[in-house]
Amino acid sequence: QQQVKQSPQSLIVQKGGISIINCAYENTAFDYFPWYQQFPGKGPALLIAIRPDVSEKKEGRFTISFNKSAKQFSLHIMDSQPGDSATYFCAASGAGSYQLTFGKGTKLSVIP
Amino acid sequence: NAGVTQTPKFQVLKTGQSMTLQCAQDMNHEYMSWYRQDPGMGLRLIHYSVGAGITDQGEVPNGYNVSRSTTEDFPLRLLSAAPSQTSVYFCASSPTYSSGNTIYFGEGSWLTVV
Repeated sequence: QQQVKQSPQSLIVQKGGISIINCAYENTAFDYFPWYQQFPGKGPALLIAIRPDVSEKKEGRFTISFNKSAKQFSLHIMDSQPGDSATYFCAASGAGSYQLTFGKGTKLSVIP
Repeated sequence: NAGVTQTPKFQVLKTGQSMTLQCAQDMNHEYMSWYRQDPGMGLRLIHYSVGAGITDQGEVPNGYNVSRSTTEDFPLRLLSAAPSQTSVYFCASSPTYSSGNTIYFGEGSWLTVV
């Protein structure tokens, strides 16, 4: 049973546009929601994370929006750049387990 | 800063062979884990360890073995390689075993089983 559903699988955005990636979770006891960024040939790296006590967190061009009642959270990349082209994973942990459960990933391509 | 170091980077195995993927971290992290990444499947946890001498199974442990004799090292052993184990393997570590900790990944080991 997949506990974190991520969409879309792939996304093509023009330079300067907004990239939006969505995730939905099932377990209401999750209490930590990170996003990881992975460039080709590299391991994932933490990009930004949020706790459910806030509805939004912004770091530079990257924003997480969190909707606790809908059990959804999303990553917004403003002014997308070709250097943002990577695979993005959402994840969740908590519920008595400290293991991260990952979504299946979204491959973002930002075209000039 | 070395961080999490994995070796080898690439490996080709024949079905039935065994091998060990090495992982070392120099950050004195308590928690270490192994994931496999397959197209369209995301990252799936194989085994993890919360400290030296302590290991436990993750989501997809079958066909793999681990041990944690030191804080620094967490090798992953493939006992009898199968084509289904063709994947990219990532070792990861975290300061402690608690929700909210950043997990640091190595750069991956590409394994092909023929």
